[in-house]
Amino acid sequence: KNEVEQSPQNLTAQEGEFITINCSYSVGISALHWLQQHPGGGIVSLFMLSSGKKKHGRLIATINIQEKHSSLHITASHPRDSAVYICAALYNTDKLIFGTGTRLQVFP
Amino acid sequence: ETGVTQTPRHLVMGMTNKKSLKCEQHLGHNAMYWYKQSAKKPLELMFVYSLEERVENNSVPSRFSPECPNSSHLFLHLHTLQPEDSALYLCASSLRTGVGEQYFGPGTRLTVT
Repeated sequence: KNEVEQSPQNLTAQEGEFITINCSYSVGISALHWLQQHPGGGIVSLFMLSSGKKKHGRLIATINIQEKHSSLHITASHPRDSAVYICAALYNTDKLIFGTGTRLQVFP
Repeated sequence: ETGVTQTPRHLVMGMTNKKSLKCEQHLGHNAMYWYKQSAKKPLELMFVYSLEERVENNSVPSRFSPECPNSSHLFLHLHTLQPEDSALYLCASSLRTGVGEQYFGPGTRLTVT
């Protein structure tokens, strides 16, 4: 069964803290996506990766193929980072399976 | 600006109404997707189109009827919906199915009364 599990479900942080969100998946994925969803619904793709590590600004995504695990890190978190972060695994050629999301709130 | 637009942004309809959701992408992509996001549930894939041909139908009830007249436009026709169909409906596109990131529209918040 193709599954994606995220943790934690909810996360609160003080501005400036280092944030880690975890995602685990089952075998057979071709890529792993990290998405950001702001209140109101709009979704933005943050990263798509199949190996190693990617960095964009204060965001870093890593994936460990052997352990079937990916992490999203936010350095120097800011209140504008408050959003729901969603991990999604691409199985077969076009089927994205989504995690339930991690709701992050960063307080000033 | 994501390059993927959806209209309307909000829709309230009765169970006997017929309405349509529209999605348009200006990215030159060949694959388009409809997703449903219900409260407290993960996003669910509904339909996938590649070059205007449906390639995936995730066991969606027939009261949802997709249409893809060209690679830039995608519709979701709705009729005789149920209250449990109330959700956020998101459209996305990608270069090809399984290739590249998916770009999402802002979604249509649908309420069925």
